[in-house]
Amino acid sequence: GQQLNQSPQSMFIQEGEDVSMNCTSSSIFNTWLWYKQEPGEGPVLLIALYKAGELTSNGRLTAQFGITRKDSFLNISASIPSDVGIYFCAGLVQGAQKLVFGQGTRLTINP
Amino acid sequence: GAGVSQSPSNKVTEKGKDVELRCDPISGHTALYWYRQSLGQGLEFLIYFQGNSAPDKSGLPSDRFSAERTGGSVSTLTIQRTQQEDSAVYLCASSYPRASGSSYEQYFGPGTRLTVT
Repeated sequence: GQQLNQSPQSMFIQEGEDVSMNCTSSSIFNTWLWYKQEPGEGPVLLIALYKAGELTSNGRLTAQFGITRKDSFLNISASIPSDVGIYFCAGLVQGAQKLVFGQGTRLTINP
Repeated sequence: GAGVSQSPSNKVTEKGKDVELRCDPISGHTALYWYRQSLGQGLEFLIYFQGNSAPDKSGLPSDRFSAERTGGSVSTLTIQRTQQEDSAVYLCASSYPRASGSSYEQYFGPGTRLTVT
C-alpha cells in the first residue's frame, strides 16, 4: 500500500523555537492534511491543502503542498507549551478513496 | 455544532469476552471510518463506510472484528473473543464527501480506550 514517511519521529525543543516537520511519499497526492493529537483525545484537523504549491497558514502554523505533489511540510513558529502533542500528516493518493496517515511527530517543549 | 461522539470512553474487559464500541458521526456526514491506535503509535485503518456502498473492510485485522452502520448514521465496531493484543484506542472519524465522491477532511471523535485483561 501507499507509504507516508513522516519526519522527524520526535522533537525536543525550547519554548519560542520554530519547528518544522515533513511528510514524503513516492506516490502523487491530491490532498494533504495536518492533524494534532493531544493525550486522551482524537486528532484535530489543523490545515487542509488541496493544490500543488499551496501555502496555507493557521495562526502560527504554516503548511505547504509540495510542488511535486509527493510531499508536504508543517512549520510552527515561536512554539508555546500548548503546542505539545503528536502531529500527523495525512494524504489522499490520486485515485484513492481514503486517507493515508503518517506515523506522527511527537513534539515536546521545554519551558 | 456537535462533533463526533464515541462511547464508552473507556472499556475494560476480560480476555475472551465480546465488546461493542459505538460511534455517532457528525450529522450530515456520509463517510465514517474506524481506526485503531496502539500506545504511542500511528493510526491503523480498520474499516470505511461511504453512504450506501459496500464498506471497505480491508483494514480489519481478523474475522473477530466487524462493524455495522445502521441507517447511514451510527456505527458499531464489534470485537469478538477479545485478546490482549486488541488493547488500544479505537478512533472513529466522519467526513462529508465532496462532489467527486472522495472523502477528504476527516473529523475524529475522542476515542474509546479498550483494555483487555
